[in-house]
Parts: sequence; C-alpha cells; structure tokens
Amino acid sequence: QSVLTQPPSASGTPGQRVTISCSGSSSNIGSNTVNWYQQLPGTAPKLLIYSSSQRPSGVPDRFSGSKSGTSASLAISGLQSEDEADYSCAAWDDSLTGWVFGGGTKLTVL
Amino acid sequence: EAQLVESGGGLVQPGESLRVSCAASGFTFSSYAMHWVRQAPGKGLEYISAISSDGNSTLYADSVKGRFTISRDNSKNTLYLQMGSLTAADMAVYYCARDEDGSGTLDYWGRGTLVTVSS
Repeated sequence: QSVLTQPPSASGTPGQRVTISCSGSSSNIGSNTVNWYQQLPGTAPKLLIYSSSQRPSGVPDRFSGSKSGTSASLAISGLQSEDEADYSCAAWDDSLTGWVFGGGTKLTVL
Repeated sequence: EAQLVESGGGLVQPGESLRVSCAASGFTFSSYAMHWVRQAPGKGLEYISAISSDGNSTLYADSVKGRFTISRDNSKNTLYLQMGSLTAADMAVYYCARDEDGSGTLDYWGRGTLVTVSS
C-alpha cells in the first residue's frame, strides 16, 4: 500500500489529453513539492516534472504538472504512442521523514 | 553527461548479504547527494536509502533500516549499498540515482542491477 495513491491505469487515444492523479496527505503533498517520473518499458525512470510543475530541459511542454492541497496531477496533451509508459509521483513525507512514491500509473495509448 | 552504472546484483539465498555498487562519471560526484531506489518485479518504485554529498548523513526506509547500509567513496566516485539479512521481499531491481539539489529530485538514474533472493 503506497503512501501516495495513483490510479493503476489510464488510457487515451493519440492527440487526446490525459490526466493522472496523485493523492496524498498533509504530511507529504500538502506541505511539500511533487516530482513525477516516467518509466518507459524495460528502462530506468526518468525525471519528468519537478517542484510540482517544472519541466527539466528536454521534456516536451506537452507534459505539465500541478498541485492543489493534498493532491497533484500530471497532464499529457497531444498524446503520442511513445508516451506509453508508467508514471509515478513522489514527495517528501514529514511524518515518515523520508521520500515516498505513488504506486505508479500505467498509461496505455490506444 | 552524467552516467551511473550499477553492478553487483545476483542470486543470493535468504539470510545472506550482498553489496551493490554504483559507479558515477560525467559530473562532480562529491557535490551531490545520492539515493538507492528499488523496484520489485511488477511493482512500483520504492525509495530505500539516501546519503549526503559528504557521506555524513544517511536516511533509510523503515523496510531496510538496520539491515542495509549506504556509503560512498568520493575518491572512487562510487556509491555502495550493503544489504544484509535478505529476504524474498528484497528481491528487486536496485537503481542508484543522483539528487539534483538535495530535495529528493532524482535527475539521473542508472539502469539498475537485479537482486534475486531465492533458495
């Protein structure tokens, strides 16, 4: 059972906009920023969004992040087949005194 | 460009120990905190340990506290994870990752090394 809750799966068709949610609590998302990682099949995770809404250089602006209260969201617009991957959120948890991940969401491009 | 390469994974029996390593290149290793993150087969990512740039501060997940030890040798640009009392629950791909700014933002990852625990 992950501290941060994500839907196990999401899907969309090419060109669509999809959103993946990450629900936490006051001790993690509610008081700290959120990072998102993308993991393509068979590869290591890659930093996609940091500080809740910032994109590292090289990440397309089709990817965006937001945070409100104890929840965060990752939005992907203009969905492409190469976006098919697992997406995980992460944040520092003040109560656990450590970083925690969500369980991950498997995105399928139909 | 920064590169991280893990090694040392393999098959061990329950109760045994194993040390995995992570060789860093392409950046000033001694300037960055480092993390170990693992992923059990078909499961999500799990932070398990972190170490400050100078090695003086460490952090462990409850799941490995008292059994695992993180360390680093800045003269060799290498990160280590000594794992003890291994159980089937520790079977996973172990990734090392660079912490961009000490906030837990992991900007570079290795490809991982697989640890299998089985009798």
